[in-house]
Amino acid sequence: GAGVSQSPSNKVTEKGKDVELRCDPISGHTALYWYRQSLGQGLEFLIYFQGNSAPDKSGLPSDRFSAERTGGSVSTLTIQRTQQEDSAVYLCASSLGPSGYQETQYFGPGTRLLVL
Amino acid sequence: QKEVEQNSGPLSVPEGAIASLNCTYSDRGSQSFFWYRQYSGKSPELIMFIYSNGDKEDGRFTAQLNKASQYVSLLIRDSQPSDSATYLCAVIISGGYQKVTFGTGTKLQVIP
Repeated sequence: GAGVSQSPSNKVTEKGKDVELRCDPISGHTALYWYRQSLGQGLEFLIYFQGNSAPDKSGLPSDRFSAERTGGSVSTLTIQRTQQEDSAVYLCASSLGPSGYQETQYFGPGTRLLVL
Repeated sequence: QKEVEQNSGPLSVPEGAIASLNCTYSDRGSQSFFWYRQYSGKSPELIMFIYSNGDKEDGRFTAQLNKASQYVSLLIRDSQPSDSATYLCAVIISGGYQKVTFGTGTKLQVIP
């Protein structure tokens, strides 16, 4: 694919429901990142994958949030029992690898999540 | 102290002027520095990256890195209204795994 893709582009859910957000990184990119961006705010780091492993989960806000990556490619971010404060744009980014210019991150279009 | 700090702005400059955006970081182990541009409602897109002390030029954009003083800046020459966006500074500490820290961004407004 030409770039990072994310689905769905928009998601409206009711408080207490679970949601799954998907990210397809650029082919060949080994590193994958999830961020959250609330309206008018900066990027909040959630989790980083290198291959299928997640060396850094420090940004996950609570145990309601989890993420996995399979086959070194697609990643899913799951939010259980959603709360209104989870409403934000969830951005996924990928990069080629862990050195030099390869660390440049390419962002997907984001998933806009609204919890009612 | 925040790991990566940026003035939130807005920074207003007239069309044709030079816009200067600044970013300071706290970790001396930081090795890679990036500037991203984010238009309202859109995802961030890479403008420039810099690793070595000094200046790096790309068209109307110049990134400046001073590791001793722990700051990185972005200059935009001949600013255009289309440059109006939020500019995010990102810092990566290499080695082990990539820890990426973004600043909160500076909003730039170029006035026609």
